[in-house]
Amino acid sequence: DGGITQSPKYLFRKEGQNVTLSCEQNLNHDAMYWYRQDPGQGLRLIYYSQIVNDFQKGDIAEGYSVSREKKESFPLTVTSAQKNPTAFYLCASNPRALNTGELFFGEGSRLTVL
Amino acid sequence: RKEVEQDPGPFNVPEGATVAFNCTYSNSASQSFFWYRQDCRKEPKLLMSVYSSGNEDGRFTAQLNRASQYISLLIRDSKLSDSATYLCVVGGATNKLIFGTGTLLAVQP
Repeated sequence: DGGITQSPKYLFRKEGQNVTLSCEQNLNHDAMYWYRQDPGQGLRLIYYSQIVNDFQKGDIAEGYSVSREKKESFPLTVTSAQKNPTAFYLCASNPRALNTGELFFGEGSRLTVL
Repeated sequence: RKEVEQDPGPFNVPEGATVAFNCTYSNSASQSFFWYRQDCRKEPKLLMSVYSSGNEDGRFTAQLNRASQYISLLIRDSKLSDSATYLCVVGGATNKLIFGTGTLLAVQP
């Protein structure tokens, strides 16, 4: 079945450690996104990519990094520079551009920093 | 003022009730509008897009009021399975989607 796969679903890390969240899609979508969701807040955009080998910062990119070496893959690294990394991370994709239609989300990765 | 504002709820309603949610947006240049549904600890999924003329999908009706800058979602004959958080999403000239914080609906038996 076509869709977006995120892994791991749950992740615990110690302060000071970097962690990489995987996001893979087989929908042949050009655009991919990373959002963060915290209780009581809307989804906030971290990074997005509209084409392979290109990506842009979203609203809260500090402390995060991404790569887009392949169309189907858009991994997110949460670095030790991110001050409050505990959150629910959602990867999404759509065929074209950000505000023009449905976003398809993965099941999310829940990161807890101990 | 937040770019997209929703009443967080919770809205507690009995089965069979009609319930309506509103969502206000601050950017008058906004061009696209959506309602997403998010179940507890799950990912959001598109419920429906909102068109200028209003649109209906079964028990769900979405409307847009550009003059007052709000969108609404009406759910008729509520089911237990409608219990979820409903996210208002607005897209605009800045080429990004803004998510509201969501409205929690709890349908009671």
